[in-house]
Parts: sequence; structure tokens; C-alpha cells
Amino acid sequence: AQKITQTQPGMFVQEKEAVTLDCTYDTSDPSYGLFWYKQPSSGEMIFLIYQGSYDQQNATEGRYSLNFQKARKSANLVISASQLGDSAMYFCAMREGRQAGTALIFGKGTTLSVSS
Amino acid sequence: NAGVTQTPKFRVLKTGQSMTLLCAQDMNHEYMYWYRQDPGMGLRLIHYSVGEGTTAKGEVPDGYNVSRLKKQNFLLGLESAAPSQTSVYFCASSYLDKNYEQYFGPGTRLTVT
Repeated sequence: AQKITQTQPGMFVQEKEAVTLDCTYDTSDPSYGLFWYKQPSSGEMIFLIYQGSYDQQNATEGRYSLNFQKARKSANLVISASQLGDSAMYFCAMREGRQAGTALIFGKGTTLSVSS
Repeated sequence: NAGVTQTPKFRVLKTGQSMTLLCAQDMNHEYMYWYRQDPGMGLRLIHYSVGEGTTAKGEVPDGYNVSRLKKQNFLLGLESAAPSQTSVYFCASSYLDKNYEQYFGPGTRLTVT
């Protein structure tokens, strides 16, 4: 079974609109972390936002927020007021367990296209 | 602060040739990782290291070897390249931090013909 599922291969949004990118995860470990990364066409991986499994509040970083629904095992990324520069591939990832050295498990990604 | 750097950025190999990819980080991170990214597959972990002199296998380790002789460097070796190893390779590192955020290098695009 996939640990991280991103069901939207591609999403299209107009500038200034909000968009939600879906991510569901599967783990039996009570301690885990959820991450979102952005990969523009230039190829680098850019960290956007992090949510810990014990965090009480949804994480926010500027225009990015993470809609964390623990019971549903979902960690959707919300981008408010989309900009043309937001066009990129977005990856959801999970770290299981408490050890800092644990590697990330990535989803297959969602391509976001922002139009003017 | 250069962050995480990777050498080379691009490489074309013939089947059976060998090469080493170098990853260097200047953030004094304990943990380093090698991932590969294939179309439609996301990133998959090849090998990782939790400290100088230690390495461990990830999800797709076959055909690769690694070494971490110095804390700041993590080398990925292909002894006998195969076309199935055509991919983009990313190195990442992380600090002992509550978020365990991983910092990624710019990637190496490898083609094996």
C-alpha cells in the first residue's frame, strides 16, 4: 500500500484564487511528520511547510497552510492568492517515527498550473 | 553558506561504466540522504547516513554504493551503470531539529545509454 497518496496529477487555477492540493497518508506510527515541497521547472526541491502529528494547530507559512485532518489521515496544502510563480510540481512527504535521521517518503506529486 | 551542493550537474554514461556523484553540505548536518526521481514515481530513497562512517540502505539500493568518510560529504557510486539508472539524483541533509526538515541539493541528471 502506498504510504503517501496524491490523487491529483494536475491542477489548474487562475491567479489570485486559492487552491487545495490533496494528500493522504498511511502510517500506524503515532509520531510522524508531514512535509510539502515545491519543485519548479528548474528542478530544485524547496521546502514549504511542516506539520507534526502532535501539533494541535494547522501549520501556516505565509500563503501556505496545511489542512491537517488526523482522523482522515489527510494533510492538504492550501495556497491562497495564487501567483504565476506558484506553477510547479508539489510533493507531499512523510517522516515516520521520532528519529531525526529517518528519511522521507514521497508521494508522486501534483503539477500546479497558474494562469493569468 | 552554499547549503547542499552536488557534482556533477549532468552526466552521460555508457552501460557498464562507473561513476561517483559527490554531495557536500556546509551546514554541519548529521544526516545525509540520496534519492532518485523518476517520472511519475516521486522521490525514492537509495541510501542514507546518520553520521560519519555509517551508511544504510533505503528503498532502492541495488546497483549503488555509498560512503561517508567525512561528515560534510556523502558519495554515491555506480559500479556498472545500467539504463535503468537513468534518473535525476538528489542529495539531501538534515539537522537534529524538531522539524527534521531536509535540505536538498540541485540534483544531478544522469543518462545511461
